[in-house]
Amino acid sequence: AQSVTQPDIHITVSEGASLELRCNYSYGATPYLFWYVQSPGQGLQLLLKYFSGDTLVQGIKGFEAEFKRSQSSFNLRKPSVHWSDAAEYFCAVGRSGGYQKVTFGTGTKLQVIP
Amino acid sequence: ETGVTQSPTHLIKTRGQQVTLRCSSQSGHNTVSWYQQALGQGPQFIFQYYREEENGRGNFPPRFSGLQFPNYSSELNVNALELDDSALYLCASSPIGDEQFFGPGTRLTVL
Repeated sequence: AQSVTQPDIHITVSEGASLELRCNYSYGATPYLFWYVQSPGQGLQLLLKYFSGDTLVQGIKGFEAEFKRSQSSFNLRKPSVHWSDAAEYFCAVGRSGGYQKVTFGTGTKLQVIP
Repeated sequence: ETGVTQSPTHLIKTRGQQVTLRCSSQSGHNTVSWYQQALGQGPQFIFQYYREEENGRGNFPPRFSGLQFPNYSSELNVNALELDDSALYLCASSPIGDEQFFGPGTRLTVL
């Protein structure tokens, strides 16, 4: 069965500092991987996705993620965090075909301090 | 272009009651997926509908059921509500096999 682990429940970073959110997945075949962001009272917004090809994926809002098959990881990064990035971030894995039965991690809540 | 909308925004029910949640898909999307997000958890896949047929189901009991209509809007029905059903219910629409767009969710509280 597919699964996702986000080991950090809560992360605090200073505005302007770099950010890395960790994600490890378990899936028997080639995974379809996603990062979503959820602001309070909002639905989920897709930041980026990996289906195949280049293992470094660029997304919206200046985010990027790197797929490392040997480590079963798909960590999210941003070089300089803005206060508006404060939100909850979810890593997810989907089956072949991408979007059927997507499994989400438990999320990492990001706090940004001045 | 109108995004995914869900109604109602909030709902309070008591144990044993039944509830219906509604979702209007984004224009041109023929697939709808429903997710349950308990407090402090990630969303959990309930089921997906494609062209009015169930197209995959997660680990939820049969008292969770759904419908998709010819205009691709959808309903989630939950019978015999339990306290643990309290959660944010998210709907996502997409063209089949393509990116999902999420609605803002319905917050269900079961007392």
